[in-house]
Amino acid sequence: SAVISQKPSRDICQRGTSLTIQCQVDSQVTMMFWYRQQPGQSLTLIATANQGSEATYESGFVIDKFPISRPNLTFSTLTVSNMSPEDSSIYLCSASEGQGIGNTIYFGEGSWLTVV
Amino acid sequence: ELKVEQNPLFLSMQEGKNYTIYCNYSTTSDRLYWYRQDPGKSLESLFVLLSNGAVKQEGRLMASLDTKARLSTLHITAAVHDLSATYFCAVDTSGGTYKYIFGTGTRLKVLA
Repeated sequence: SAVISQKPSRDICQRGTSLTIQCQVDSQVTMMFWYRQQPGQSLTLIATANQGSEATYESGFVIDKFPISRPNLTFSTLTVSNMSPEDSSIYLCSASEGQGIGNTIYFGEGSWLTVV
Repeated sequence: ELKVEQNPLFLSMQEGKNYTIYCNYSTTSDRLYWYRQDPGKSLESLFVLLSNGAVKQEGRLMASLDTKARLSTLHITAAVHDLSATYFCAVDTSGGTYKYIFGTGTRLKVLA
């Protein structure tokens, strides 16, 4: 399975600032995704990171708030813009190696953001 | 809108006991996944269920899928303390594109 690394692992951010989270996979993957997990809650899909094109956002998430890049098949970034305390969450990068039978998606360790 | 609900949300059980976690989903899907999350950690893939009647077992955990009933179960046999974690099911909503909708999660605590 792919190994997914995220940076930063934790951060405390000031209200109104922006933070970019990096996600590096140790092998080329076809699909990359960003999820949010608010404290004590389940995971919510933010967007699919598309290589070389604009990300595909889920309902309730917009590009201005969560710009995403994916310049190649192993790397993606998520920016949380103009942060407020409601953005305090774990942000998880995930990836799938392909669309074959039995494939699943794997998760990075997460980036724990606290907005003060 | 696809909904994925787990039951129970919280489960406290004694070591050595058996129990089942249920995952119900509201639309057609034949791909269901189970994950484990330890406190302060990310998600670990447990099972991939890809067809009606699929059953997978690993150690004390066994997962099954009934696509007609839109139900998956995660059965715990003779629980041990190390199984304490939060368990999530996830449904692939769009025929293998890996856009998962996650269940509400079941927080399991096994008491020694």
